[in-house]
Amino acid sequence: DIQMTQSPSSLSASVGDRVTITCRASQSISSYLNWYQQKPGKAPKLLIYAASSLQSGVPSRFSGSGSGTDFTLTISSLQPEDFATYYCQQSYSTPPTFGPGTKVDIK
Amino acid sequence: QVQLVQSGAEVKKPGASVKVSCKASGYTFTGYYMHWVRQAPGQGLEWMGRINPNSGGTNYAQKFQGRVTMTRDTSISTAYMELSRLRSDDTAVYYCARDRGVAAEIDYWGQGTLVTVSS
Repeated sequence: DIQMTQSPSSLSASVGDRVTITCRASQSISSYLNWYQQKPGKAPKLLIYAASSLQSGVPSRFSGSGSGTDFTLTISSLQPEDFATYYCQQSYSTPPTFGPGTKVDIK
Repeated sequence: QVQLVQSGAEVKKPGASVKVSCKASGYTFTGYYMHWVRQAPGQGLEWMGRINPNSGGTNYAQKFQGRVTMTRDTSISTAYMELSRLRSDDTAVYYCARDRGVAAEIDYWGQGTLVTVSS
């Protein structure tokens, strides 16, 4: 199975900050990398698919980049509604695997 | 609009089985794979398996092989996940989730079903 790691595991940031979350795969996954946002008590929500494609309806302050084994999710200017946990997921091979998550909370 | 509506919360004793349903609407049910993902309290997301609603073909995570069965009823656009021989560490929220198929990303999720396993 492909192992996914994320860093940091948590971060504290202020509204307006630029936030970057890193995801690394244990082997090359090309661009088969997706990012999800989850708020407490809610189902995850797709933000970015295929490493850098913005899901319809997702604000443009979210962006993704990378290929191979190293990927990043960037929030250009953090908004109050962005405080949540973010998960990466590889969809290159079965089983699809998720990273452990990065919790973004208020500084 | 696409909706996935899951059955309600369940409380089960260790050793029992649970069957969770997921009713799809707003799209062609047989056109998209359906995944099942679970999340234990305070933990991350864990993939359990997926079903091709068209053929009924399934792929299961190794961890759940022999304990999980995923089925579907195309006449009512509903997918099912049954987990047997429940243990306390199966306590989790179980989600059904649609695979859009572009990069095998999951674009719609059910609301989740809490399964509590307790004696």
